[in-house]
Amino acid sequence: DAKTTQPTSMDCAEGRAANLPCNHSTISGNEYVYWYRQIHSQGPQYIIHGLKNNETNEMASLIITEDRKSSTLILPHATLRDTAVYYCIVRPHTGRRALTFGSGTRLQVQP
Amino acid sequence: EAQVTQNPRYLITVTGKKLTVTCSQNMNHEYMSWYRQDPGLGLRQIYYSMNVEVTDKGDVPEGYKVSRKEKRNFPLILESPSPNQTSLYFCASSLWESGANVLTFGAGSRLTVL
Repeated sequence: DAKTTQPTSMDCAEGRAANLPCNHSTISGNEYVYWYRQIHSQGPQYIIHGLKNNETNEMASLIITEDRKSSTLILPHATLRDTAVYYCIVRPHTGRRALTFGSGTRLQVQP
Repeated sequence: EAQVTQNPRYLITVTGKKLTVTCSQNMNHEYMSWYRQDPGLGLRQIYYSMNVEVTDKGDVPEGYKVSRKEKRNFPLILESPSPNQTSLYFCASSLWESGANVLTFGAGSRLTVL
């Protein structure tokens, strides 16, 4: 599976947009990009996913570059409750594959 | 409510005393998986199951067993726990082991082995 690279930590001011980058330069054509977040020690929570096109839902937007080698998760108006560890993972469409999350980006939203 | 339920949520045990962490989902999901989380190491997959009676090793399967006799249940078995298995454990499920599906996680089980 393709590996992902994320910054270890980021800060964002409350009310501003949080832009979390992810590099997945070895992604293959059938792999989706998924974003999850984990607040404190709770179970990870799904945010959004995409294959080629940009995606938006009630939580966030996902921007995938045209070459699919990187993506950005955008939280449009970050709140203190968005403070969490954000994981970017790639997942194959089919096949028996173990799924690795990596260490993610720790986002701290500042008041 | 659609959910993944793990039990126990907290457990302190001693080395060598067999234990089972149960995981149950009510969403008719085919795919289920166990992860452990340790400080600085992120989430690492222990075992996963694509359907009943079909299980496979993840990244860190040593010291663990699983079974999938029913679609809804995927227990994690520690036959002889050791202190290095002290960790936070998560169970997760999804509709199908593919790229276009979403993992739903349980709330976690914090295990301490003395």
